[in-house]
Amino acid sequence: AQSVSQHNHHVILSEAASLELGCNYSYGGTVNLFWYVQYPGQHLQLLLKYFSGDPLVKGIKGFEAEFIKSKFSFNLRKPSVQWSDTAEYFCAARNNAGNMLTFGGGTRLMVKP
Amino acid sequence: NAGVTQTPKFQVLKTGQSMTLQCAQDMNHEYMSWYRQDPGMGLRLIHYSVGAGITDQGEVPNGYNVSRSTTEDFPLRLLSAAPSQTSVYFCASSDHGTGDQPQHFGDGTRLSIL
Repeated sequence: AQSVSQHNHHVILSEAASLELGCNYSYGGTVNLFWYVQYPGQHLQLLLKYFSGDPLVKGIKGFEAEFIKSKFSFNLRKPSVQWSDTAEYFCAARNNAGNMLTFGGGTRLMVKP
Repeated sequence: NAGVTQTPKFQVLKTGQSMTLQCAQDMNHEYMSWYRQDPGMGLRLIHYSVGAGITDQGEVPNGYNVSRSTTEDFPLRLLSAAPSQTSVYFCASSDHGTGDQPQHFGDGTRLSIL
């Protein structure tokens, strides 16, 4: 069965610090990968997605993620976080022919001003 | 643009009661799904549908029923609510069931079972 793991459950950073959130997936075939963000009291919104091609994908609000096939990883990065990035971040994977999107457990990010 | 609309936003039930969570989308999306969100467990897929008249089970389908009589609507039914079903429920839709389309989420329904 497909699974997605996020290593950090809670991360606290100061503004301007760099961010990297880990995500590993287990699936043998072609996989599509997503990062979603959930701001407090809101629904999930898409940050970025990877389907094929350049393994470094850029999303909204200065976020990027790198797909490393050999490590089954899709880590999310941002060079300099802002207080407004305080949210919960979810990694998700979906096989190319499948109908099920599998989410990781989420990482709660708190950015201190 | 309404997108994905869920009702109600909040609900409190007693154990054993039944209720239906409503979900409607106006984007003509074929694929719709229901997730529950619990702390530390991310979102888990309950049921999904790839089109009108077609539904299938996700990771955690027990205790829930769905139907898809129209493209727009995908209600989730709890036949006999249990405290373990206390959660936040999200409905989502996307253009196709294949992997390359991101999900559009509703605002969620916060459900408490006493």
